[in-house]
Amino acid sequence: AQSVTQPDIHITVSEGASLELRCNYSYGATPYLFWYVQSPGQGLQLLLKYFSGDTLVQGIKGFEAEFKRSQSSFNLRKPSVHWSDAAEYFCAASGAGSYQLTFGKGTKLSVIP
Amino acid sequence: DAEITQSPRHKITETGRQVTLACHQTWNHNNMFWYRQDLGHGLRLIHYSYGVHDTNKGEVSDGYSVSRSNTEDLPLTLESAASSQTSVYFCASSDLDYGYTFGSGTRLTVV
Repeated sequence: AQSVTQPDIHITVSEGASLELRCNYSYGATPYLFWYVQSPGQGLQLLLKYFSGDTLVQGIKGFEAEFKRSQSSFNLRKPSVHWSDAAEYFCAASGAGSYQLTFGKGTKLSVIP
Repeated sequence: DAEITQSPRHKITETGRQVTLACHQTWNHNNMFWYRQDLGHGLRLIHYSYGVHDTNKGEVSDGYSVSRSNTEDLPLTLESAASSQTSVYFCASSDLDYGYTFGSGTRLTVV
């Protein structure tokens, strides 16, 4: 079955530190991959997406993600975290050409001032 | 600007009642989706539609129904509300080139 796994339920980092959120997928073929962010009480906002091509993807708010086929991973990174980055982050995937997204269970990010 | 709106934002209802949650989008997207979000489960797909008069069941469709009479709206109906359906519900529309656009959610409490 197709699945998306986010191994870390909760991560705490200090403001200014670097960040990496992990995401692994299990799909028959390379899926389309997405990262979303959700602030408390809000909907989900798209940070970045990968369809094909360059495996390093730049997104909004200074985030980037790297697709690694050999590891079935699509990890999200940010070089320097700001207090406003505290939120929940969801990795999601869909089969190529499909419109259905499968979400990971999310990683909650806390930022220490 | 195009948007996707959900109403109501909050709803409290009694067990056994029928409840309808509204979703309206002005993106002119053919694809629309309903998800529920629960602690420890992330977002799970309830129903989806790829166009007018098209509806499909998702992972957790039992007890829910949708109908699509136009491009803009995909209402979600709980036929007989149960406490297990207490959740936050998100509607989304999609143009695959961009990804999903989500509404702000409806928090439903079934008492």
